[in-house]
Amino acid sequence: QKEVEQDPGPLSVPEGAIVSLNCTYSNSAFQYFMWYRQYSRKGPELLMYTYSSGNKEDGRFTAQVDKSSKYISLFIRDSQPSDSATYLCAMTHLSGSARQLTFGSGTQLTVLP
Amino acid sequence: NAGVTQTPKFQVLKTGQSMTLQCAQDMNHEYMSWYRQDPGMGLRLIHYSVGAGITDQGEVPNGYNVSRSTTEDFPLRLLSAAPSQTSVYFCASSYSRESTDTQYFGPGTRLTVL
Repeated sequence: QKEVEQDPGPLSVPEGAIVSLNCTYSNSAFQYFMWYRQYSRKGPELLMYTYSSGNKEDGRFTAQVDKSSKYISLFIRDSQPSDSATYLCAMTHLSGSARQLTFGSGTQLTVLP
Repeated sequence: NAGVTQTPKFQVLKTGQSMTLQCAQDMNHEYMSWYRQDPGMGLRLIHYSVGAGITDQGEVPNGYNVSRSTTEDFPLRLLSAAPSQTSVYFCASSYSRESTDTQYFGPGTRLTVL
């Protein structure tokens, strides 16, 4: 069983829709939670991060963490065609000499104009 | 700043050949890492370094070597390429070993092993 499970999609929505992306995890040692966005044939880039349970909002994006259920979500409001990308959840825990990232497999999102 | 750069962008190898993937960063970051990305598997950590002269293994290190002689450079060597190493390889860096939540990724190297 993977430590981080993410629905691979693909997910296709019309412009303006609210998008919900989700991950579950099994390792209680995970401390910090991130969402990375990856455009086609590019490297991932950090979109949002949060360190505690609850919601964190940044513009049209809201990251939600529920540590008791081991569940994290990313909500995108008023989705735009420019949001079309693969979204990767990631989590960190101490392993070896550094905090290491463990990634979900990614959800491919297409926002149709 | 150029950020994280990787060369080459594309490479085709035959089974058994060796090669080095180059990675450089100009942000004076302490932590650097190599990941491979395969369909349905997400990004998996191969090797990482917390500073010049210090390297350690990640989740999938077999078949790969690394070294870190300078802060800026972190090359990944494939010793004897195998078809299972066909993948997209990303190099990443972060300010320190404690700030690996914020990693800056390079554009990737697409490797095919025949």
